[in-house]
Amino acid sequence: DIQLTQSPSFLSASVGDRVTITCRASQGISSYLGWYQQKPGKAPKLLIYTASTLQSGVPSRFSGSGSGTDFTLTISSLQPEDFATYYCQKLSSYPLTFGPGTKVDIK
Amino acid sequence: EVQLVESGGGLVQPGGSLRLSCAASGFTFSDHFADWVRQAPGKGLEWVGRSRNKANSYTTEYAASVKGRFTISRDDSNNSVYLQMNSLKSEDTAVYYCARDVRINGYSYMDVWGKGTTVSVTS
Repeated sequence: DIQLTQSPSFLSASVGDRVTITCRASQGISSYLGWYQQKPGKAPKLLIYTASTLQSGVPSRFSGSGSGTDFTLTISSLQPEDFATYYCQKLSSYPLTFGPGTKVDIK
Repeated sequence: EVQLVESGGGLVQPGGSLRLSCAASGFTFSDHFADWVRQAPGKGLEWVGRSRNKANSYTTEYAASVKGRFTISRDDSNNSVYLQMNSLKSEDTAVYYCARDVRINGYSYMDVWGKGTTVSVTS
């Protein structure tokens, strides 16, 4: 099975910071990757699909890039409501594995 | 309003069974695939399985950790998808979410999620 790793697993940042999260697949998955945001006690929310397409209603400060094995999620200017855990997920083949998550906390 | 509502969670002993339901509203449920995803306490997300729609013969996929123990079914007439869980283990303790899939370039992404239902497997 294809595995996903995320780095960092935890990051502490301030409002206004530029934040980048990396997701790496153990084998190539083309652009079949999604990014999700989850806040404590809430369901995940789809942010980005096909690695770089912003889901409707998601603020433009979020962006995604990459293909093959290396992907990034960038938040251009961190806002208070962005403090959450972020997960990548591969959709290229079964099982539809999630990455282990990156928790973004307030510095 | 597009909505998914899970129900059926609860406390069950190891080896027992439980059936979760997910009721959809606000969209044409029969057009979509549906997934179950779980999250153990303090842990990350784990995909459990998928139900395809009628156009794809209602076929299913499962994670290795639940294959042979869990069964996903759906009733399009009731806009619902179900997760039958048998031979439950303590490691199945989690919040279980159902999610709607949106099909993009031949692959499905989970664009609408329910709020989840909690399953606790303990003696």
